[in-house]
Amino acid sequence: DAGVTQSPTHLIKTRGQQVTLRCSPKSGHDTVSWYQQALGQGPQFIFQYYEEEERQRGNFPDRFSGHQFPNYSSELNVNALLLGDSALYLCASSLSWGNQPQHFGDGTRLSIL
Amino acid sequence: EDQVTQSPEALRLQEGESSSLNCSYTVSGLRGLFWYRQDPGKGPEFLFTLYSAGEEKEKERLKATLTKKESFLHITAPKPEDSATYLCAVQGEGGGADGLTFGKGTHLIIQP
Repeated sequence: DAGVTQSPTHLIKTRGQQVTLRCSPKSGHDTVSWYQQALGQGPQFIFQYYEEEERQRGNFPDRFSGHQFPNYSSELNVNALLLGDSALYLCASSLSWGNQPQHFGDGTRLSIL
Repeated sequence: EDQVTQSPEALRLQEGESSSLNCSYTVSGLRGLFWYRQDPGKGPEFLFTLYSAGEEKEKERLKATLTKKESFLHITAPKPEDSATYLCAVQGEGGGADGLTFGKGTHLIIQP
């Protein structure tokens, strides 16, 4: 049973560029959440997708956007990259019913030069 | 706004030396408190969910407990492979969705 998979594992971009990160949820899960984890910090919630719509959003600017596809996979897009966007981007999947735990992938390490 | 504070930030123990990690939280209506383990270069690995004060969960050398203001992760007779960062997160009732609020974690080192 495959867990949450993310691609790519590492990415290097320059300021002002745009980036797309991808996530496939754990089999059977229908909800995908995205988090940003800076070095030495806990993950910070960006947003959550369910039924192809953004259901909740954390304190992140509109430069951060996402999408969920009919097969429940998801993308995170970040426009106009800033140096401060350098971080580990984590995807988590879960079931929509009950207080089910979120299961995380190993993330995409994004470095901005 | 939900908040989570973990202490200590770092902890170094000898193999077999038991201890506890603390997670203090404030949340508007607790739906769940979660403990995760994170190894370097990896994503968080789910350990436990606690839903109400007084609840306890155990897994091998780990035991998690919950009160109305804090949670403890007790580690008994730890081994070097227990070395990791342990993260605590809460899920509140606001917003109707499931975004987690995490603490900064406790970096645990078990020396042989």
